[in-house]
Amino acid sequence: GEDVEQSLFLSVREGDSSVINCTYTDSSSTYLYWYKQEPGAGLQLLTYIFSNMDMKQDQRLTVLLNKKDKHLSLRIADTQTGDSAIYFCAEMGGNTPLVFGKGTRLSVIA
Amino acid sequence: DAGITQSPRYKITETGRQVTLMCHQTWSHSYMFWYRQDLGHGLRLIYYSAAADITDKGEVPDGYVVSRSKTENFPLTLESATRSQTSVYFCASSEFRDRGTEAFFGQGTRLTVV
Repeated sequence: GEDVEQSLFLSVREGDSSVINCTYTDSSSTYLYWYKQEPGAGLQLLTYIFSNMDMKQDQRLTVLLNKKDKHLSLRIADTQTGDSAIYFCAEMGGNTPLVFGKGTRLSVIA
Repeated sequence: DAGITQSPRYKITETGRQVTLMCHQTWSHSYMFWYRQDLGHGLRLIYYSAAADITDKGEVPDGYVVSRSKTENFPLTLESATRSQTSVYFCASSEFRDRGTEAFFGQGTRLTVV
């Protein structure tokens, strides 16, 4: 079955880079996503990557995909206090609904 | 306003009561989903719907009932609420596109069963 694993907590200093890691099991995943959840809010799509890509950059965000190891990472450059949130990795294979990891709580220390 | 809205935002109910959580989207997306979010479990899919009158079970469907008589609405009913159903419930909608599914989430309903 599908399973998505993430570390639960990450703490970084303001201005440093944050790297959030995720592993998934469904080799048929065609798209992989990163969602952000701020306190008291729903989830907001940050970025996504198609499974035939290795890397995608979008301003301060860099997504790396190692399909062989089924490993996905999200790097946030120059992390700000406004980046403090829970980040969810999610995968979708074929026409199946999104499967989410448990989320990584990022704390940014000023 | 375009978007996806859930109601109520907060609900307290007693064990054994029936409660319905509402979800409404204005985009006419085909797909709608209900997730519950619990500490240590992340988001788990309860039910989803691919179109009006088409629903399917997710990972944790027991104790829940859904219907989809209209494309824009996807209510979730707890027929006899239990304390284990205390959670934050998120509704989402999406349309499969060339970049897969981008699910748009509501603000969530925090349900407490006492």
